[in-house]
Amino acid sequence: KAGVTQTPRYLIKTRGQQVTLSCSPISGHRSVSWYQQTPGQGLQFLFEYFSETQRNKGNFPGRFSGRQFSNSRSEMNVSTLELGDSALYLCASSLAVIGRQLEQYFGPGTRLTVT
Amino acid sequence: AQSVSQHNHHVILSEAASLELGCNYSYGGTVNLFWYVQYPGQHLQLLLKYFSGDPLVKGIKGFEAEFIKSKFSFNLRKPSVQWSDTAEYFCAVNAQAAGNKLTFGGGTRVLVKP
Repeated sequence: KAGVTQTPRYLIKTRGQQVTLSCSPISGHRSVSWYQQTPGQGLQFLFEYFSETQRNKGNFPGRFSGRQFSNSRSEMNVSTLELGDSALYLCASSLAVIGRQLEQYFGPGTRLTVT
Repeated sequence: AQSVSQHNHHVILSEAASLELGCNYSYGGTVNLFWYVQYPGQHLQLLLKYFSGDPLVKGIKGFEAEFIKSKFSFNLRKPSVQWSDTAEYFCAVNAQAAGNKLTFGGGTRVLVKP
């Protein structure tokens, strides 16, 4: 079974621009979560999508948004990029049975550098 | 809000030494617990998980962890490490009331010297 895939793997953007990152979950997984990994803050939860609905949200500003499509693929968007948004953005997928959490499987991440 | 702390930021061991990494969490409700590993240049991989039942769980590559509810701890152990265990290890907690939100510890970098 193919793992979680993320595109692009590397991205360089300029302050003020916006960026869209893509994630394809493991086949059959309906939950997709996004995390930000930085040396200073570690791994922080951004949001989770399940059946095209945002089910959970972390403490990030509204510049960070996401969506999920009917095939469970997800995108996250960051608008008005700041230097501090430079990070590894990780996507994780899970079977996520209703009422029960299951383990999450992570993709390789998208390395975003904001200059 | 839940939080997770990992006691050691860096650990250096020789091959065949035993490894124990500490993890404590703060949350009063029911939790699911995980250890993930990130090998150099690779993505996060699940080492082991605890949802319920036997508090001693075994994972891949000879790792095990023990959930001690009274101490809010989920320490990771391996009796004899190999050079290939060099990696960063993350403890993560998922409060059952918080959906699929994982809260991670700060990570422990483990260096195994050959």
